[in-house]
Amino acid sequence: GAGVSQSPSNKVTEKGKDVELRCDPISGHTALYWYRQSLGQGLEFLIYFQGNSAPDKSGLPSDRFSAERTGGSVSTLTIQRTQQEDSAVYLCASSLGRGGAYEQYFGPGTRLTVT
Amino acid sequence: SQQGEEDPQALSIQEGENATMNCSYKTSINNLQWYRQNSGRGLVHLILIRSNEREKHSGRLRVTLDTSKKSSSLLITASRAADTASYFCATGGGSNYKLTFGKGTLLTVNP
Repeated sequence: GAGVSQSPSNKVTEKGKDVELRCDPISGHTALYWYRQSLGQGLEFLIYFQGNSAPDKSGLPSDRFSAERTGGSVSTLTIQRTQQEDSAVYLCASSLGRGGAYEQYFGPGTRLTVT
Repeated sequence: SQQGEEDPQALSIQEGENATMNCSYKTSINNLQWYRQNSGRGLVHLILIRSNEREKHSGRLRVTLDTSKKSSSLLITASRAADTASYFCATGGGSNYKLTFGKGTLLTVNP
């Protein structure tokens, strides 16, 4: 079946511009996560959505970052007034349920480059 | 801060050899997962081991967990060039939905 998809796969933007990154999770997965991975580093948790509950935004690095999930499915991560330090690969993952006991399925990521 | 820390940071071996990667963590966990990442893109789940399990196998993969030492190891037997990737451990505890990832081990298998 279809896995997690993300778009665009690559995005180059100028400093100060806004960007939107999209994630389509696996159908039926109630949990959706966004992570950020800088070059050669591990994954940094950004935000988590579970069903209709309020999202956990505790990992967002600044108020320039926001995310929404419409209809419990597609999610959009928005970065306003991008900075060079925002350059990274942004990964989305979904899972059947909440809790670390569930395997997470990752999308291929969006590589963001801020010039 | 990151919970899991993999060791070594990089490992280079010849095809056919076994590769062992270790993961240490700090706080109590309910389970530990291992993931693989090719070329800096999406991660693929390899195996999940629960805190009450000591060892788990999946094909050429063998994972051990020692909760008293707060450590886990991933063994890949009879390695292949296609196993070249970064390997991450991730820990989850209780109702904590946040899997906390380490920085990974970069494994290179030379043909």
